[in-house]
Amino acid sequence: GEDVEQSLFLSVREGDSSVINCTYTDSSSTYLYWYKQEPGAGLQLLTYIFSNMDMKQDQRLTVLLNKKDKHLSLRIADTQTGDSAIYFCAVSRDDKIIFGKGTRLHILP
Amino acid sequence: DVKVTQSSRYLVKRTGEKVFLECVQDMDHENMFWYRQDPGLGLRLIYFSYDVKMKEKGDIPEGYSVSREKKERFSLILESASTNQTSMYLCASSLINNEKLFFGSGTQLSVL
Repeated sequence: GEDVEQSLFLSVREGDSSVINCTYTDSSSTYLYWYKQEPGAGLQLLTYIFSNMDMKQDQRLTVLLNKKDKHLSLRIADTQTGDSAIYFCAVSRDDKIIFGKGTRLHILP
Repeated sequence: DVKVTQSSRYLVKRTGEKVFLECVQDMDHENMFWYRQDPGLGLRLIYFSYDVKMKEKGDIPEGYSVSREKKERFSLILESASTNQTSMYLCASSLINNEKLFFGSGTQLSVL
């Protein structure tokens, strides 16, 4: 089955860039997603990239996709306290979406 | 904006009780999903549905069943709740297959 791996924790100083990494196993995934979960809430779609793209930028967010290495990353520029959350990488497989375990982003003052 | 509403934010039940978790979406989405979220395990798919009265098992269906009598409503049923079903339950919907998911706020279920 599909494996989506991401590190569990990341600490970043306020104002620095955060980079959250994800690897996956199924090269046929068509869509790749980043979701954000704030404390006590459901998941919210942050951004997504189609598998034929290398990069997508949306304001402070940059998604990079390396299909050869099956590696997806999310860069958050100028990290703010409001970015403190769990970030989930997810990929499409057949008719389902498979999630990683999530990376908890902690912002240091 | 799509709204996915889960009927309860917090629920406390006793072992052996029958539990219903309700989910309603208001954007005429075809697909609906139930996940459970546990620390260190991420999101695991319990059941999903691509159409009314249709259901498919996800990765961890044991101990659960579902009902989709109307397109907008997808219910998760715990026939006889057990303590290992204490978890955060998340409902989601999408317009078509592999399209982005919209999530409800979650139901934190505690089984005592």
